[in-house]
Amino acid sequence: DVKVTQSSRYLVKRTGEKVFLECVQDMDHENMFWYRQDPGLGLRLIYFSYDVKMKEKGDIPEGYSVSREKKERFSLILESASTNQTSMYLCASSPTPGQIYGYTFGSGTRLTVV
Amino acid sequence: TQLLEQSPQFLSIQEGENLTVYCNSSSVFSSLQWYRQEPGEGPVLLVTVVTGGEVKKLKRLTFQFGDARKDSSLHITAAQPGDTGLYLCAGAWVGSGGSNYKLTFGKGTLLTVNP
Repeated sequence: DVKVTQSSRYLVKRTGEKVFLECVQDMDHENMFWYRQDPGLGLRLIYFSYDVKMKEKGDIPEGYSVSREKKERFSLILESASTNQTSMYLCASSPTPGQIYGYTFGSGTRLTVV
Repeated sequence: TQLLEQSPQFLSIQEGENLTVYCNSSSVFSSLQWYRQEPGEGPVLLVTVVTGGEVKKLKRLTFQFGDARKDSSLHITAAQPGDTGLYLCAGAWVGSGGSNYKLTFGKGTLLTVNP
């Protein structure tokens, strides 16, 4: 069964810390995405990547960066965590074209910044 | 950013009832997808519709894409407690360059089916 694996289900970090969220997919998908999901706001796209070492900003990139050194791995980095980054973070991947084949999501990382 | 409006936001029904949830936009989408998300998990793809007017069935679920490709509906017949979850629609809009690689998600309809 195809999988997107996120490294942590729950994470608690302190304000100002640098936080790394890791995502690995085993489907050889070209495209990978990071979303955050908040009550009343839905899923919002932070960053996405359509190839190794390629990245593009989504709708809410401020305070985040990403890294994609290998095709199967896409990392989200919170440079200096703040309380307003407390959220559920979802990683997804898709083959091309993603608008036809759909996304496969990981189970999410619930991040709390205190 | 293209916007997708889903309605209703919340829906609580009894087992055996039928229901319809809606997904609307002022924008044209090249395709539209429906996902279901259970608590503590990521969304799972149910269906993709591509052609205006297209109807797809998945057991008791019927999905329809509007003729103008701006809206979609999901109809569930004889709902069961296992249908409980957050239903999300997501549209891929007609764009240029890298835009086609992204989906815009609606905020979802939270469905509760009571036994």
